[in-house]
Amino acid sequence: NAGVTQTPKFQVLKTGQSMTLQCAQDMNHEYMSWYRQDPGMGLRLIHYSVGAGITDQGEVPNGYNVSRSTTEDFPLRLLSAAPSQTSVYFCASSSQGAGGQFFGPGTRLTVL
Amino acid sequence: AQKITQTQPGMFVQEKEAVTLDCTYDTSDQSYGLFWYKQPSSGEMIFLIYQGSYDEQNATEGRYSLNFQKARKSANLVISASQLGDSAMYFCAMSYTGGFKTIFGAGTRLFVKA
Repeated sequence: NAGVTQTPKFQVLKTGQSMTLQCAQDMNHEYMSWYRQDPGMGLRLIHYSVGAGITDQGEVPNGYNVSRSTTEDFPLRLLSAAPSQTSVYFCASSSQGAGGQFFGPGTRLTVL
Repeated sequence: AQKITQTQPGMFVQEKEAVTLDCTYDTSDQSYGLFWYKQPSSGEMIFLIYQGSYDEQNATEGRYSLNFQKARKSANLVISASQLGDSAMYFCAMSYTGGFKTIFGAGTRLFVKA
């Protein structure tokens, strides 16, 4: 049981490049979400999903896309990276929206 | 609008003593959830404790308890018998909109002294 896994652990992009952050969970959780963590600001919700085929926007969705084709996977796509997207990205899952979430180890992204 | 406020950027506590980390929240929702997470220096986020807005009793999980005062909109975390391994960043969070959206406070860094 691996829990929530994220790849890559570190990534450096140039402005304008696109990439996909991968997230997978093996706990059969319906709810998955993506957060970004910036210094001094806690975590902010980017997008979330309550099940395969269902996604919605969080607090800071601009510049990011998501899809949920399976229960296990919830990738986050950066369409055209900007320096303001330099952050640590966490994926999380839970069995229901109101329960405590299990977090992945995070991806540290730097956009030059 | 929903809001979480943690007013203590940093806290010191002596090993084996109890410590309270403050958290206040603001929401117009009647149904919401309150959480505390721990983030050690290694960076992972660890779920500690949950309190539902309709729960009448304060939640407890081992050495962690959540002091829930609904009228004051506060959800303070109490750690009893602090250990050196408790040194970490602690985040208060609130879920709303049926539990599908969560906002986090800015965090409190706890230092446990030997």
